Amino acid sequence: AQSVTQPDIHITVSEGASLELRCNYSYGATPYLFWYVQSPGQGLQLLLKYFSGDTLVQGIKGFEAEFKRSQSSFNLRKPSVHWSDAAEYFCAVGARGSQGNLIFGKGTKLSVKP
Amino acid sequence: GAVVSQHPSWVICKSGTSVKIECRSLDFQATTMFWYRQFPKQSLMLMATSNEGSKATYEQGVEKDKFLINHASLTLSTLTVTSAHPEDSSFYICSFRGAGGINEQFFGPGTRLTVL
Repeated sequence: AQSVTQPDIHITVSEGASLELRCNYSYGATPYLFWYVQSPGQGLQLLLKYFSGDTLVQGIKGFEAEFKRSQSSFNLRKPSVHWSDAAEYFCAVGARGSQGNLIFGKGTKLSVKP
Repeated sequence: GAVVSQHPSWVICKSGTSVKIECRSLDFQATTMFWYRQFPKQSLMLMATSNEGSKATYEQGVEKDKFLINHASLTLSTLTVTSAHPEDSSFYICSFRGAGGINEQFFGPGTRLTVL
């Protein structure tokens, strides 16, 4: 069965510092991979996605993620965090050829110190 | 990306009443859509998947007679919480699946339901 693990429940970084949010998945083949961000009381906004090809994916707001097949990971990174990046971040996987449903990780809450 | 709206954005109701939540895609048509619920500080849990013109497929543990889904058209889906109880209080989010066989979903802003 598919599953997504986000090991860090809450991360606090200083503004301007670099960020890495971890995501590991369990799936028999290469799934579709996504990172979403959710601000309090809001829906989800897609940051980036991986379908195939280049394993380093660029997204919006300066985020990037790297797909590592050998580690079953899809970690999200940002070189310099801004206070506005404080939010909840969700990693998700989708099975290829399925009806399109996604499996979400439990999320990582990011706090940014001034 | 595509734009999805939900209405209402928040609702408070008395126990035993029914609440309808609308989800609309504003700039594209989609045959498949999803309804999720999210409890405080938790992840999204898929409730059901529906295709336009057919009955929804509910996830295990979700009562189909309590959570009525009507995928009326390629741009509109509704979720009706019937005889709501306080334990139904949650954040409900809809999404539409993008075209092209890729599992990208476009999410609505969510509806906060509080049942007194």
